[in-house]
Amino acid sequence: DTEVTQTPKHLVMGMTNKKSLKCEQHMGHRAMYWYKQKAKKPPELMFVYSYEKLSINESVPSRFSPECPNSSLLNLHLHALQPEDSALYLCASSQAGTWGNEQFFGPGTRLTVL
Amino acid sequence: SQQGEEDPQALSIQEGENATMNCSYKTSINNLQWYRQNSGRGLVHLILIRSNEREKHSGRLRVTLDTSKKSSSLLITASRAADTASYFCAPGDAGGTSYGKLTFGQGTILTVHP
Repeated sequence: DTEVTQTPKHLVMGMTNKKSLKCEQHMGHRAMYWYKQKAKKPPELMFVYSYEKLSINESVPSRFSPECPNSSLLNLHLHALQPEDSALYLCASSQAGTWGNEQFFGPGTRLTVL
Repeated sequence: SQQGEEDPQALSIQEGENATMNCSYKTSINNLQWYRQNSGRGLVHLILIRSNEREKHSGRLRVTLDTSKKSSSLLITASRAADTASYFCAPGDAGGTSYGKLTFGQGTILTVHP
């Protein structure tokens, strides 16, 4: 199984809502990533988990809260978002290693904040 | 990690023609990856080339790496309409980490006309 799944595919939320994005992989990868992609822009790294521990937080606002409950799951909890947070949120996973590894991406969650 | 710079920004060709896009980077790498993204979808890994490799093939794709010029090229031969997508390079910095932090450039938008 070489698939990364993300749910939901689409999400519309108000600025006072709390929601969560979910990502799952069963490839045995021990590195997992959240990216944010605005229209016509490249994906931008938000968070990296390595061996279920947060390794990188790219100065992401606290209204985004990542969680890695186990080696297969990655969540992104959303609270009090702003309209400018509307974007495609991509999850990825890879083997953890020092030589650079292929990242497998999910199809993304398209988030709209009203 | 460093960002690759893709060139050209956009490329429009006819089906059956070859497409070449280039990537430049600034500092030493241990690998460079190419990804494809169809409109509004997740990224798909195409090829990873390591710093001690000069050329790599995968089906209709050929990637070259010139570390002396700090550049890489991606050649798609006999292009198809289905190759229409954005193509991103991601240089992997030399140095050890337990994960592969990728920083994507603005990408090359390839349009293949039937």
